[in-house]
Amino acid sequence: GAVVSQHPSWVICKSGTSVKIECRSLDFQATTMFWYRQFPKQSLMLMATSNEGSKATYEQGVEKDKFLINHASLTLSTLTVTSAHPEDSSFYICSAPSLKGASTDTQYFGPGTRLTVL
Amino acid sequence: RKEVEQDPGPFNVPEGATVAFNCTYSNSASQSFFWYRQDCRKEPKLLMSVYSSGNEDGRFTAQLNRASQYISLLIRDSKLSDSATYLCVVNPLEAGGTSYGKLTFGQGTILTVHP
Repeated sequence: GAVVSQHPSWVICKSGTSVKIECRSLDFQATTMFWYRQFPKQSLMLMATSNEGSKATYEQGVEKDKFLINHASLTLSTLTVTSAHPEDSSFYICSAPSLKGASTDTQYFGPGTRLTVL
Repeated sequence: RKEVEQDPGPFNVPEGATVAFNCTYSNSASQSFFWYRQDCRKEPKLLMSVYSSGNEDGRFTAQLNRASQYISLLIRDSKLSDSATYLCVVNPLEAGGTSYGKLTFGQGTILTVHP
């Protein structure tokens, strides 16, 4: 099946620094990717939709200037958490759907990136 | 009201037991429905899609009732390896009629199967 990778798998950083997370579709092209965040004991919450060649669309309550998304190619989307603070510590997961264009498309999830901000 | 609601559990059952999870969703125009399982500190993995006619995959049976906006998952003959969090997931229809790929997750139901 299709594979989505994320890098890094975990990162620890100091408060105020920026962290970049990469999401790659390894054997298929993805014009759209999704970024989710999951806090402990909570469900995944969609943060934004990453669109290849255009601006990302953000869910309500997600600061676009804090969570910068760049979908530079059909196989790569990056999420940069700028000026990270301890409350940004979370599990960040990306996903990419297959390209059939149907609402029932399979979503392929990356393995997630665990961010800890000290 | 949450868009997708699940009983968080936990459910603690012995091996071989049958266990059922329920889920309700608020958007009546939702297009597609899934059950995912998530192991601790891992990404969610698709368990099965859910269809109005009901569908079965081995020990797992999923049902959808659109009129009641209710989804269920039945696990028969539970195995130790079934221990995980089960996520009810809905692909909603947004204003303008688009929903491509966006998923709304329930909180998840924790299942622990013990010997």
